[in-house]
Amino acid sequence: QVQLVQSGAEVKKPGASVKVSCKASGYTFTTYGISWVRQAPGQGLEWLGWISASNGVTNYAQNLQGRVTMTTDTSTSTAYMELTSLRSDDTAVYYCARAFSSGWYAYWGQGTLVTVSS
Amino acid sequence: QSALTQPASVSGSPGQSITISCTGTSSDVGRYNYVSWYQQHPGKAPKLMIYEVSNRPSGVSNRFSGSKSDNTASLTISGLQDEDEADYYCSTYTSSSSVVFGGGTKLTVL
Repeated sequence: QVQLVQSGAEVKKPGASVKVSCKASGYTFTTYGISWVRQAPGQGLEWLGWISASNGVTNYAQNLQGRVTMTTDTSTSTAYMELTSLRSDDTAVYYCARAFSSGWYAYWGQGTLVTVSS
Repeated sequence: QSALTQPASVSGSPGQSITISCTGTSSDVGRYNYVSWYQQHPGKAPKLMIYEVSNRPSGVSNRFSGSKSDNTASLTISGLQDEDEADYYCSTYTSSSSVVFGGGTKLTVL
């Protein structure tokens, strides 16, 4: 069965960086892209971007351009999302999701809580 | 890209039907038949309920249905059950090859 397993919770200081991993199993990793979505406490879902697992092409949300980098390691079927220059409003649960080409997500990771606090 | 517009909350009694709207623009909801709907219970990851406007993934109850007219998509839940109480989000693919979500709707089963 398809599974996306994310790395554990992180606590970071403002200005630091965080890198969250998402290990996929149960399907051919390069067949689908991976999107990242976050949810601040008590708030809605926010799309962060997408990466093709076959060729590494990315598309990032405009408001995060320059701070977010998405990568994949096809040898381990793992996707990564790195966010730099962290601010308190980056505190959120970060989800990875397997992306179908028309932008829907049938499989999600369990979520990774990133807390940014001094 | 602005978030899609959803009502903050809707409610209904068990057995009734409710509809949640999701309004976008001609560059997203109106342009593509790529609207999806997600159900999210507290502390859980979102669950796909509808994709490409009206398609149900395997395992999702046929009490859930989706539709679209112009720039507004809708999710209808018929025969409301206690376990349907959750937050619901719409999303769509956009002309900039991104995805945008709605602000979410809290469904309360009375």
